[in-house]
Order: sequence, then structure tokens, then C-alpha cells
Amino acid sequence: DGGITQSPKYLFRKEGQNVTLSCEQNLNHDAMYWYRQDPGQGLRLIYYSQIVNDFQKGDIAEGYSVSREKKESFPLTVTSAQKNPTAFYLCASSRSGNYNNEQFFGPGTRLTVL
Amino acid sequence: GQQVMQIPQYQHVQEGEDFTTYCNSSTTLSNIQWYKQRPGGHPVFLIQLVKSGEVKKQKRLTFQFGEAKKNSSLHITATQTTDVGTYFCAGTNAGGTSYGKLTFGQGTILTVHP
Repeated sequence: DGGITQSPKYLFRKEGQNVTLSCEQNLNHDAMYWYRQDPGQGLRLIYYSQIVNDFQKGDIAEGYSVSREKKESFPLTVTSAQKNPTAFYLCASSRSGNYNNEQFFGPGTRLTVL
Repeated sequence: GQQVMQIPQYQHVQEGEDFTTYCNSSTTLSNIQWYKQRPGGHPVFLIQLVKSGEVKKQKRLTFQFGEAKKNSSLHITATQTTDVGTYFCAGTNAGGTSYGKLTFGQGTILTVHP
């Protein structure tokens, strides 16, 4: 069963702690993306990766970090530098980084920082 | 930077009524994609338009891309309760350096009263 998995579905952390969100895909897609979704707002791009061992900052990269050591995996770390980390985080992938490829989304992780 | 505005933010309709959401970009787009997110779910790709003036239909859904490739619309005829969700448009800036980078609109939340 192909798709994108994100874990956990809900995550609670104390303020000041770093936290890493998992994203795995078995679609053999080259490109992967991280978005943040807040109520009443669209999806805002945090980081994206067009190929293994390469990634670029999106529109709101401050306070976040990523790695892309394997094609299947694109973990996102929310650092203590992120001022307002409570949000719904969505991972996505596409066949390539070409603009006309549809993106497939994972189920999301809802992060709450207390 | 590129902005994609979507209106209305909310739309409440009675089952059987029509629904339209509009998407406007501050820059010319290479393409426009539409996604649907059910309550509590993740965005799912609906369709992509790439040609100026293009119109595509999926059963009761009609998608249009403006002649100037700066706006788009999604029209649903005779809404059903299964149409409930948030509809997002997303586009890529034409001629930009952001290869494959989609900018999402804020979304239109559709509720359908039976």
C-alpha cells in the first residue's frame, strides 16, 4: 500500500524543547515538502527537497530544520527558536520537483507546545 | 513575493445550491492546482490547469483558468453533503526561480446544510 506516513498524529511538547516530526514515503518520489497549516490560513511552505541530500528554504523556514539523507524520508525538526510552533504540519511528496506534478499529502501531525 | 488570494473564506449553502470559489494571483502563473481537504483530513489533489482560458470538468465540478493566467475558479453545481470541506487553489509563479514551489491560497471552507 503506497503512500506517505507521518507520525505521530498528535504531539505535545514543552516550550523550549526541540521536536522532530517524521515523514516517510514509499511512492519513489524525488521531491518532498513540509507545510504548516494554521486556522484560516492556507498551507505555508517550510522546506522542500527536490532530490536526496539537497533541500531549500520555503517561505517560513526560520526556527525549523530538515534533512534528506534517504529518498524515502524527510524529517522536520521544530526548534526552540520557532516562536509559535503550535500548528498542523503536513508533509507532501511529488514525482519530481517540476511545477506541474501533483503533490500527495500525508495525514499530518498536530503539534501542541505547552 | 507571490501572493494567491482566495475568496470567499467561508461559504454556507443549502444542499442543491451551487457554489463558487475564486482564486487570484498577484503574478502570472505557470499552472493552477486545486486541492480538497475534508474536515480533519489532509489535502487531496483534484485537478491541474496549465493553458490560458482552460476549462475542465469533473462531474459536478467545473474548473477555469483565466486568459491572463492570473485567476481561476472552481464551481460546484448542485452541492451535496459530500462536498463539505476546504478547497484550496495553488499556483507556481511563471518565470520564477522557485522551481516547483507552489503557493497556496487561504482556502474556502464550504459547509452544506441538508
